[in-house]
This record gives sequence, structure tokens and C-alpha cells, in this order.
Amino acid sequence: AQSVTQPDIHITVSEGASLELRCNYSYGATPYLFWYVQSPGQGLQLLLKYFSGDTLVQGIKGFEAEFKRSQSSFNLRKPSVHWSDAAEYFCAVEGNFNKFYFGSGTKLNVKP
Amino acid sequence: GAVVSQHPSWVICKSGTSVKIECRSLDFQATTMFWYRQFPKQSLMLMATSNEGSKATYEQGVEKDKFLINHASLTLSTLTVTSAHPEDSSFYICSAITDSYEQYFGPGTRLTVT
Repeated sequence: AQSVTQPDIHITVSEGASLELRCNYSYGATPYLFWYVQSPGQGLQLLLKYFSGDTLVQGIKGFEAEFKRSQSSFNLRKPSVHWSDAAEYFCAVEGNFNKFYFGSGTKLNVKP
Repeated sequence: GAVVSQHPSWVICKSGTSVKIECRSLDFQATTMFWYRQFPKQSLMLMATSNEGSKATYEQGVEKDKFLINHASLTLSTLTVTSAHPEDSSFYICSAITDSYEQYFGPGTRLTVT
């Protein structure tokens, strides 16, 4: 069965510091992986996605993610966090019949 | 990119009444749409798959008689919460799939049942 684990519920980083949000997935076939960001009371905004090819994926807002099949991971990174990045981040895997399965989310706080 | 809208963006209803939420693909046709539910401070859980012209398929544990889904056209799916109770209060998000199998999410509808 497909599933996504985000081990960090909350993360706090200082503005300007680097960021890494962890995501591990479980899926039998080659996964389609996604990272979304959600601001309070808002919908989901797609940051980036991985289907195949280069394992380092560039997204919007300076985010990138690296797919590591051996570790079943798809961690999200940003070299320098801005205060506006404070939000909740969800990792997702697309399973059979285009169904999405989301991780539990990581809430990012940014210290000034 | 493709745009998916939801209406209303928020709704308050009294316990025992029914409420309908619309999900529209604005600039593409979607034979398949999905409905998700998000409880406060939790993740999104898939409720059902909405297929144009056929019955919706529900995930395990989702009451099909409570959450009625109608996908009457290639651009519109509706979710009706029947006989709503306070425990149905949640954030409901839909998504739609394009012909190239890209999935786009709506902005969500916050339902509060008093």
C-alpha cells in the first residue's frame, strides 16, 4: 500500500538559514512525488514534482527536492529561508488511479 | 496552469441541514475529480473519486449516503453533505485531472456545522 511519512511535525528555522523537510514514501512502483505548501485557511500550492529523470528537481520559490530511491525519500530543501516561507508543507505520492496520498505535514516557523 | 475553483469558500450551516459544495475546472475538462477532507491541523484524506457520468467511488470508511457526489458534467462535481453534524465540520478540497493526467487542487471550502 502507498503511504507517505513526514517525521517532523514542526520545524523552526531562522530567517536566512537553510531548510530541509523530510519525506519518506512507500509505493510498489516508480513513484510520482509532490511537495505542496499550504498557508492557513488556504488551498494547496504545488512547489515541485518528480516523475522521472533527474533526481534533483527544481521548484518554485527557490525550493528543490532530491529523489533517493535507495532511501525511499524525497526531501525538500531551500538554501535560505524567508519569513514568507512560514506555512505547512505536505509531501504526497500519486498512487493507482491518480489518487493522492499525503503525509501528515510539517509546519514551518521562521524566526526573524 | 489549469484552474480549479470551489464554491462556496466557506459555509456555516445548522445541524441537520444539507450543504452543497461545487468544484469546477475552469479551463479544462475533467473526467475525474477527487474530494479530500482535512481536519484542523491534520493532513488531507481522500474521500472519494468522482467520475463524470458514473457513480463516485468512495474510500473505505466514508459514508456514501452522507457525502453525496455528483459529477454531472466534464467541468463540475458537487459534494453534498447531508444531515450535517458538527463532526462534519472540516476543510473540503477537490482536485481535477487534466487530459495529460496532471492534478490541480481547488482552494478549499471550510464547512462549519453549528
